Amino acid sequence: GAVVSQHPSWVICKSGTSVKIECRSLDFQATTMFWYRQFPKQSLMLMATSNEGSKATYEQGVEKDKFLINHASLTLSTLTVTSAHPEDSSFYICSAPGGAAQETQYFGPGTRLLVL
Amino acid sequence: QKEVEQDPGPLSVPEGAIVSLNCTYSNSAFQYFMWYRQYSRKGPELLMYTYSSGNKEDGRFTAQVDKSSKYISLFIRDSQPSDSATYLCAMSPTGNQFYFGTGTSLTVIP
Repeated sequence: GAVVSQHPSWVICKSGTSVKIECRSLDFQATTMFWYRQFPKQSLMLMATSNEGSKATYEQGVEKDKFLINHASLTLSTLTVTSAHPEDSSFYICSAPGGAAQETQYFGPGTRLLVL
Repeated sequence: QKEVEQDPGPLSVPEGAIVSLNCTYSNSAFQYFMWYRQYSRKGPELLMYTYSSGNKEDGRFTAQVDKSSKYISLFIRDSQPSDSATYLCAMSPTGNQFYFGTGTSLTVIP
């Protein structure tokens, strides 16, 4: 099956710093990738859709300037949390559509961010 | 009304029991139906994928889709402690747009 990786798997940073999370499709190309956020014991919350070669589409309520998304190649999308604050601490998961008709999603293992 | 409704549980069953997990939905355009398993602090893992109505079986897992009732189910036979996880249903009308349930937390007690 399709494999999606994320790096780093966890990160601790000081308040005010920026953190970059990478999402890679290892054995397939992905023109679209999705970024989710998940709080403990809650479901996935879609933050944005990353489109290769064009601007990301953000969900309502997600700050574009805070969560910068770059999809520079068909196998890599990055999410940068700028000027992180403790309330940004969460589990960030990316996914990419797969299957013959792009009808399902393959998820990365997630990145746990803790902002002190 | 949410697009996808899923009982969050938690659900607790003894080892060996048959588990039934369910989701309902409101959008008749959904054609692709998925079940994911998510262990704590891990990304969701695709378990089953079904297109349109019908049943699909894979080992101890059976997925059912009833489009007329807008209802999907995942059955787990001979449940094992390793099945303890959160199960998410997901649906899509055409791909590239996915709708998730809130997830059901399952614990299988040895």
